[in-house]
Formats: sequence, structure tokens, C-alpha cells
Amino acid sequence: EADIYQTPRYLVIGTGKKITLECSQTMGHDKMYWYQQDPGMELHLIHYSYGVNSTEKGDLSSESTVSRIRTEHFPLTLESARPSHTSQYLCASSGFANTGELFFGEGSRLTVL
Amino acid sequence: SQQGEEDPQALSIQEGENATMNCSYKTSINNLQWYRQNSGRGLVHLILIRSNEREKHSGRLRVTLDTSKKSSSLLITASRAADTASYFCATGRNNDMRFGAGTRLTVKP
Repeated sequence: EADIYQTPRYLVIGTGKKITLECSQTMGHDKMYWYQQDPGMELHLIHYSYGVNSTEKGDLSSESTVSRIRTEHFPLTLESARPSHTSQYLCASSGFANTGELFFGEGSRLTVL
Repeated sequence: SQQGEEDPQALSIQEGENATMNCSYKTSINNLQWYRQNSGRGLVHLILIRSNEREKHSGRLRVTLDTSKKSSSLLITASRAADTASYFCATGRNNDMRFGAGTRLTVKP
């Protein structure tokens, strides 16, 4: 069973609010990722990190930002949420020593009114 | 842009039947992975096949890879109602995995 946790699982907020989606893993993995997924649709890579103080933007342009101050923690922040940000956000991690298998959290479903 | 594209988009079968899903990709890869996602949940890794492998088995799962055609297939044998989920292929290099839109499999009891 994967040891990667996301909070909150569900969040409903109003437009303009600042939100942070938390992601933590206890596996000591160097690589961490954020994917965005609309219901029944494909996953889009929005951010990734190869280690502490390393962050990169993914394929899909996103107004969110990420930070990687500690190996185990990779939070995603939206400074001013809009209805277009309504989606599911999935966090994942993988270790250099393994085969590239991704371990996913349960996801954070965000609804912006 | 996403690498893998699954086909069909949706598949409905009866319990006990086999389910076959296909994945096509565009560029060279180190490996190809298949994941499963239950509705509203995170993805779970099923199986990985390396670029120098042609076939791999794991329980009721069989994966094939044809690098010349840039395609892979996932076969689930003797399907069960609990296999109902979305299945995604993921491809990439250096552990930067990209996913397609998935195949939504429904197994009717």
C-alpha cells in the first residue's frame, strides 16, 4: 500500500480564495508530481520535482505554484481560485531506485463556486 | 501533449469474458506502464513492461509491447465485476510519465 497522502480530499470554496493542497509521502521518494484530471478525462502533468528545491512546470499550463522545501512534502497553491480551477488534483511520487512506478494519493477534488 | 492514447474509450463486457485494451504512443520510451483507477480515486500501478520486452504476465493480466508500431495491449482474462474501473497506459523517459484518457471498463455481473 502506498504511503502518500493528500489533504483535503474534497474542498468547496468561493472565487478569489487562496488554497493549498497538501501532499506528503513517507517513502523517501525524490520525484514528486501533480496531475490535474477532469472527471472521466486524461491526466495532465502540471508540476513535478526531482528533489528538494527543484520544481518544474509540466505540460499543461497552470496558474498554480508548488514548492519542495522538504523531500516528503510537495504542496500546490492557488493564490486566487476561479471556477476554471474546478478539477481533481492527483499527487504522485516515485523513487530513483525503482522502475519508475508512480505511487498516487487519493486525490483532492476542488470545486470553486 | 499526452503520450499515450487508449482505445477503446469505453468497453462493456460480461463477467468471465476477456477484456482487451490498446495503447498507442508517439515517441521512444524506456518502459510502458498500465494503471487502474476506480471512480474518484487515485491511480494504482498494475504492470510495467520495458522497451526490450515483448510480453509480460501478472496474474490475470497480460501486456504486450510492439515498439515498432509504438503500441501496447492489456488483456484481462476471466474478468470480474470488481475489475470495473478506468485503465490508463503511461509512457515516458526518465520517470516523467504521461497518461492518456484511459479506457473505461464495465464488467457486468
